Amino acid sequence: KQEVTQIPAALSVPEGENLVLNCSFTDSAIYNLQWFRQDPGKGLTSLLLIQSSQREQTSGRLNASLDKSSGRSTLYIAASQPGDSATYLCAVESSASKIIFGSGTRLSIRP
Amino acid sequence: GAVVSQHPSRVICKSGTSVKIECRSLDFQATTMFWYRQFPKKSLMLMATSNEGSKATYEQGVEKDKFLINHASLTLSTLTVTSAHPEDSSFYICSARNEKLFFGSGTQLSVL
Repeated sequence: KQEVTQIPAALSVPEGENLVLNCSFTDSAIYNLQWFRQDPGKGLTSLLLIQSSQREQTSGRLNASLDKSSGRSTLYIAASQPGDSATYLCAVESSASKIIFGSGTRLSIRP
Repeated sequence: GAVVSQHPSRVICKSGTSVKIECRSLDFQATTMFWYRQFPKKSLMLMATSNEGSKATYEQGVEKDKFLINHASLTLSTLTVTSAHPEDSSFYICSARNEKLFFGSGTQLSVL
């Protein structure tokens, strides 16, 4: 059974810092891994999708990596801004076409 | 980009009533849509997979008679919470795939 874990559960950093969010999964047989952003009381916004054959994806200040063999993904945010404050979720799509979410990291960027 | 519209965004109802939530894919056809439930400060839990033209597939522990799912067209899936009770109060989100997963904006259900 696939389990997805995100560490830390909460993170607070001053504006301008670079930061890394972690996601780990127990079953390496995945189709893809996706990072989402969720603002309070809102739906999810897809940030980056990494296919199982890929090692990383980049979009603007965001970079996501995937290491299937170790069951890990990281989301790197460069030059953080207060507008980056949100909950970040990773989701793994397994070979059974089920999507399992991590519990999220609540990120707060202090001005 | 692909857009998934979910309605209503917020609903307050009395215990015992039924509530219908709609999920529409606006610019693509989705043979499969997903329904999730989220408790405060918790992650999303998949409730069911909605399949166009056939019965939904429910996750273990989800009552299919309680949460009725209908996927009558390639752009619309509905979730009906029947005989709602306060413990059904939650944030419900739908999603559909167009290469990536796209999510609706969610529905906050409060049952009094």
